[in-house]
This record gives sequence, structure tokens and C-alpha cells, in this order.
Amino acid sequence: NAGVTQTPKFRVLKTGQSMTLLCAQDMNHEYMYWYRQDPGMGLRLIHYSVGEGTTAKGEVPDGYNVSRLKKQNFLLGLESAAPSQTSVYFCASNQGAQETQYFGPGTRLLVL
Amino acid sequence: EDQVTQSPEALRLQEGESSSLNCSYTVSGLRGLFWYRQDPGKGPEFLFTLYSAGEEKEKERLKATLTKKESFLHITAPKPEDSATYLCAVPRMDTGRRALTFGSGTRLQVQP
Repeated sequence: NAGVTQTPKFRVLKTGQSMTLLCAQDMNHEYMYWYRQDPGMGLRLIHYSVGEGTTAKGEVPDGYNVSRLKKQNFLLGLESAAPSQTSVYFCASNQGAQETQYFGPGTRLLVL
Repeated sequence: EDQVTQSPEALRLQEGESSSLNCSYTVSGLRGLFWYRQDPGKGPEFLFTLYSAGEEKEKERLKATLTKKESFLHITAPKPEDSATYLCAVPRMDTGRRALTFGSGTRLQVQP
């Protein structure tokens, strides 16, 4: 099993450009999450999904959209990138509430 | 609002010098406390889950303990390969205990 995978690993964008980050898991988990990690601030929740076709906002959702069309995939979109979105993005998944979350390797995004 | 605070921010130890990391939390009704290890450039890796005060779990040189207000990660006779950032987290009430609220981490460096 590959666990949780993320693509791309690294990306540089110019302000105003758009992109989609892809997260895939092969553990048949119901729940999936997108977090961002910034120096000194820990991981913060952007959006999450409790099942195929469902999404919900987290702590810092502004400027991001998500979709979960297939159970194994969770996409994070940036419609118009801003320098404040420079960060490391992590995807995670688990089977149920309060259960262990498994994280992907991260995507490093630099917005110029 | 759930809050997690970790101390110290950074810790430098000599190989073999035991110490403890602290994670204090404020939640209404704890439903688990998670410890993760994060190496530079990688995603968080699960270490332990503790569910009730008095519970302890061990893995190699690490032991995690839990009280009603805080958790400790004790590192006994650390080795350089224990160098990493250690994160603690609790399930977020505002997501039905699905997503996690993280502390900002303790960056541990073990020198040979």
C-alpha cells in the first residue's frame, strides 16, 4: 500500500495563477483532510470531507476550494493564488472520528 | 475552543541525556490525544494515541503519558536519529472530533 500520496511535490506560482493539488489514498478511508503548515503556527485545517461527494470548511478556508468526486481522491484548488498561500500543504485521511490520521508527504507551494 | 500548547519550542540534548516534552490542552471532553513525529521535508508520522488520564504508551526510547490537563513525551537516552519535530494534537470539537487541532511542535535536536 502506498498510503497517502500527494502531487505535485513542489510548485512555484505567480500571483493570480490557479492550480490543483491532488491527494490520493489507498486505505479505503472515509474521511480526508487538507492542512497547511507555516513556520511557528503548526498545522491548520483548510477543508475536510467525511465521504464521497461531501466537503466542509475548516479553520482557514478562504481562497481555497475542494472536491471529493471519488472516495480515494481529495482535490484542493487555488483559483487565484496569493503570496499568503505560500505554505506546505498536507493531506491526511482516517477511517472515523477520533481515529489515527495518516499524512501524505506534503506539497511545497511558493507564490511569487 | 480547543487549544493545544507545546513547550519548549526547541530543545537541544546531548546523546544519552533524557528529557521530556510538554503538551498542555484545553478541550471540553477529551476524545484522545495524538503524538506525531515530523522529519524535515516530510509529513507527520503517527506515534501514539492516549485516551484517558493515567494512560501510558511506549515505543523504543519514547514514552507518552497523559493527565487531565497535559501530556508528556519522555525521551530516555536519546540518539541523534531521534532528532525531529514532535507534534501533539486533539480532535476538534467543531468538526465532530474528526479533524485535529495541532500544537506548534517541539523541535528536538540530539547531538552526538
